[in-house]
This record gives sequence, structure tokens and C-alpha cells, in this order.
Amino acid sequence: AQSVTQLGSHVSVSEGALVLLRCNYSSSVPPYLFWYVQYPNQGLQLLLKYTTGATLVKGINGFEAEFKKSETSFHLTKPSAHMSDAAEYFCAVSEAGRRALTFGSGTRLQVQP
Amino acid sequence: EPEVTQTPSHQVTQMGQEVILRCVPISNHLYFYWYRQILGQKVEFLVSFYNNEISEKSEIFDDQFSVERPDGSNFTLKIRSTKLEDSAMYFCASRGPVANTGELFFGEGSRLTVL
Repeated sequence: AQSVTQLGSHVSVSEGALVLLRCNYSSSVPPYLFWYVQYPNQGLQLLLKYTTGATLVKGINGFEAEFKKSETSFHLTKPSAHMSDAAEYFCAVSEAGRRALTFGSGTRLQVQP
Repeated sequence: EPEVTQTPSHQVTQMGQEVILRCVPISNHLYFYWYRQILGQKVEFLVSFYNNEISEKSEIFDDQFSVERPDGSNFTLKIRSTKLEDSAMYFCASRGPVANTGELFFGEGSRLTVL
């Protein structure tokens, strides 16, 4: 069975500071990993994904994530936070061949001026 | 850019009433999903649909729930007799026919409030 753990339901950073949102997964087979962002009163938008190949993946809005198999992690980072990054971020896993995504509980990012 | 559209954006209903939530997936997509998000909680998988049948469903998707694709474009979620605990945001998603990378495209959600 697949599962996702996001450490920290709330993360607060200052504008311009590093953003680090943590995600650990469990999967019995090689996983596909995703980060989605949800702005207030909106749907889920894909930030980035890892399927195969390069373990460092770059997404939209300057975000990137690194797949570390040995640590079963897929942490999301951004070098410099912007006020517009304030949102809820969800990590998700899909076992290759399965069709449904399993989501983590989400991390709400606040960006302080 | 193609998108998944959902209606209604918000529905208020009385407990015990039937509710139908509608979704228009991206036109060339073949896999369809419903997820729900209870306020302040995680996004939970309900059901996936492919080739006019349910391909996977979660424990949440009990006999009170049903899905169908009545006309080749709409994808609906029906709740037969709503309960208070059905109050949530319901998200429709679709996935294309290309190599299975698992990426889902989500609609903006339908908020259901059961009184």
C-alpha cells in the first residue's frame, strides 16, 4: 500500500527566505511522486512531478524537489519565498501502474513580509 | 489551455436529499476521478473510472455513492441520501491517454454543505 507523510501542517517563512516542505512516502513498488498547490478557494494545480530519470525535478514558480530513494523522501524547496507562494501544498504518490493518487495531509505555507 | 470544469461550485442541501455533482473532464482524457476534501483535512480518493466502469474505489465510496458518464462528456457523482458528514469539497480530476505518468488535472471543486 502507498502512503504519504507531510511533516509540519503549517510552515511560516519570511519573504526571501528558503522554503522547505517535507514529504516522505511509502510504496511497495517504484513510485511516481507529485507536488500540488492549492490556493484559497481553488482547485489543485500540479507544481512538479517525478516519474523516472533525473531525481531533481524542477517545477513551476521556481519550486524544485529531489527524489531520494534511500530516504523515501521528496521534499519541496524554493530558494527565495515570495508572498504569492502562500498556499496549501500537497505531496502525492502513485504506484507505477496504479491509477489513483494518494495525498498527504498538506502543509500550509505562510510567507511573512 | 484545456481544463476540468465542475458544477455547481457550491450546493447546499438538506440531510437525506440526493445530490448530483457534475464534471466535464478534459476532452481527450480517458481516466476520471472523484476526490473529496473535508474542511481542514486531507484530499481523499473516492473513485476512479475508465472505459465506462469503476476501476478502483475507496472505503469511503459506499452504496450511497455512484458515478456515471451519461453522455460521453459529463462525469457525475451522485450521493443518494446525503449525511452531515458528506459536507466537503468534491474535486473531479482526469488523466490523459499518454504514457501513464499518473498526473491528474483537477477541477476547482464543488463545495457541498449538508444541513
